[in-house]
Amino acid sequence: EAGVVQSPRYKIIEKKQPVAFWCNPISGHNTLYWYLQNLGQGPELLIRYENEEAVDDSQLPKDRFSAERLKGVDSTLKIQPAELGDSAVYLCASSLVPGGTQYFGPGTRLTVL
Amino acid sequence: AQSVTQPDIHITVSEGASLELRCNYSYGATPYLFWYVQSPGQGLQLLLKYFSGDTLVQGIKGFEAEFKRSQSSFNLRKPSVHWSDAAEYFCAVIRSNDYKLSFGAGTTVTVRA
Repeated sequence: EAGVVQSPRYKIIEKKQPVAFWCNPISGHNTLYWYLQNLGQGPELLIRYENEEAVDDSQLPKDRFSAERLKGVDSTLKIQPAELGDSAVYLCASSLVPGGTQYFGPGTRLTVL
Repeated sequence: AQSVTQPDIHITVSEGASLELRCNYSYGATPYLFWYVQSPGQGLQLLLKYFSGDTLVQGIKGFEAEFKRSQSSFNLRKPSVHWSDAAEYFCAVIRSNDYKLSFGAGTTVTVRA
């Protein structure tokens, strides 16, 4: 069974440019999460989806970050415009049910120059 | 509020020696507890989890963890480490009321020959 798929794995952009990350969860997993992981720290939740509904986006900086999961399967996280402080690893995870075990993708390492 | 504390930022252990990583949590109700491992440039892999029942939990790669309610701890152990165990280890706790997964800051394990 395929795990959580993320692309791209690495992205280097200049500040003020837009960037997008894509995630495909494990088949059948209705709950999808986006996390931000800064160097030397644990992941922090940005947004949680139940099917296509964002049920917890309280930690998402909405002035520059947006996310969508239109058909309740794969998801896209966007930053526009990117800032130097956005350099981090962006992780996607999924679980079968809310509160269930979360399985993580390999992440996208973003570098903003 | 809840938090997860991993007191040890970095541990160095000799190959073949035992390993114990500490994790303490603060949460009013019974938590769901997890240990994840992250190798350089990789996503998080689930080692083991505790939801209820037997407080000694067996995981993959020869790891085990013990839930001690009286000490609010969920320490991870391995009797004999291998060079491939060098990685960063994260303890995490999920709240049953809103399913939010909170991570500790992580412990980096270095294995010397």
